[in-house]
Amino acid sequence: GAGVSQSPRYKVAKRGQDVALRCDPISGHVSLFWYQQALGQGPEFLTYFQNEAQLDKSGLPSDRFFAERPEGSVSTLKIQRTQQEDSAVYLCASSLGRIRSYGYTFGSGTRLTVV
Amino acid sequence: KQEVTQIPAALSVPEGENLVLNCSFTDSAIYNLQWFRQDPGKGLTSLLLIQSSQREQTSGRLNASLDKSSGRSTLYIAASQPGDSATYLCAVAGGTSYGKLTFGQGTILTVHP
Repeated sequence: GAGVSQSPRYKVAKRGQDVALRCDPISGHVSLFWYQQALGQGPEFLTYFQNEAQLDKSGLPSDRFFAERPEGSVSTLKIQRTQQEDSAVYLCASSLGRIRSYGYTFGSGTRLTVV
Repeated sequence: KQEVTQIPAALSVPEGENLVLNCSFTDSAIYNLQWFRQDPGKGLTSLLLIQSSQREQTSGRLNASLDKSSGRSTLYIAASQPGDSATYLCAVAGGTSYGKLTFGQGTILTVHP
């Protein structure tokens, strides 16, 4: 597609529920990132994929967070046993190349509210 | 650990004013710096990307400068319009080959008619 697509746009989860957030990057983009943006803050890095390989997951806040990109295109961020502090906007970004010289295209995000 | 700070946190100006948004970062070993715009409830739109070897980039009414040695960047918006109202985020890529971004907290800009 023309841009990075994320679904759902909004998700309300009861505390303790598992959720799955989907990201469709721009076709052919090698690099894929997930960021978490709390209200009133800048986005913070969660994890990075180069094709299907997860090369950096240093930003994942706990072992309840899991991300995958099995075929090197669509990616899913899964949060198990959601907590209120998980409430945030989750942004996905993709980039054409493997290296830092390329810019990034962000999706519109998924706003997760845990009640 | 890289830290990015944006000043001011919020700015309200009348239409037509020229304005400057500031961004500073603590680790000058960056590969590039990017300015984004974020509208309420929306994702990020890339405005300008400055590579570490560059001093500035321009796009229409926007001009961004980079002084890597002093850890500073400015975004200059000429002849501001109400449609420029948004949150502006500065982000630096460094420390990894793939360009993991560290963001500032943003400047909330309001341009009133």
